[in-house]
Amino acid sequence: DTAVSQTPKYLVTQMGNDKSIKCEQNLGHDTMYWYKQDSKKFLKIMFSYNNKELIINETVPNRFSPKSPDKAHLNLHINSLELGDSAVYFCASSQAEGAYGNTIYFGEGSWLTVV
Amino acid sequence: GENVEQHPSTLSVQEGDSAVIKCTYSDSASNYFPWYKQELGKRPQLIIDIRSNVGEKKDQRIAVTLNKTAKHFSLHITETQPEDSAVYFCALFLGNQFYFGTGTSLTVIP
Repeated sequence: DTAVSQTPKYLVTQMGNDKSIKCEQNLGHDTMYWYKQDSKKFLKIMFSYNNKELIINETVPNRFSPKSPDKAHLNLHINSLELGDSAVYFCASSQAEGAYGNTIYFGEGSWLTVV
Repeated sequence: GENVEQHPSTLSVQEGDSAVIKCTYSDSASNYFPWYKQELGKRPQLIIDIRSNVGEKKDQRIAVTLNKTAKHFSLHITETQPEDSAVYFCALFLGNQFYFGTGTSLTVIP
């Protein structure tokens, strides 16, 4: 009964390949995110979806394409993988905010290594 | 976007001592300030949060203080234990997204 689950957890692939990471949340949250954590541990927002609509699209190469078939799922597809894409990718979700933001819950992370 | 500065980037303390991590921000509209702990190889997990209508919140050995006038908030861990060793992230909510600090690697020396 994991709240935010993402697959695969580990992914090793060659440069130039295309890969996808899937994410699902069972918390009933309206908002989902993709974060990238590099070797320096910085957590960098990539995308945010609210009820399947893209609301944040940071400066990310267009090789990265998120897809949200419904508000419980947010998948990340990466084309033409490069060495610099090696990182941990965290999916996360939160409930739509009112006067205050609400807690953001992270998935377990997907360790992507491009060789 | 908002810039959240977090200090120090690394912190070593003796077991039993206190640890303090501070974050500063610039936009006074920020109203929600969570703290996350990330153990090695694990996901960031919420340990405590504070909303802008209070100045301090405590949960056992962990406390967070917020100074809205000065635009900074701090995490205080007392009586540190080896299992407190982790990377800690401050964050804030502004507009429609969360902004994270750059992380503090805390090592508690037994």
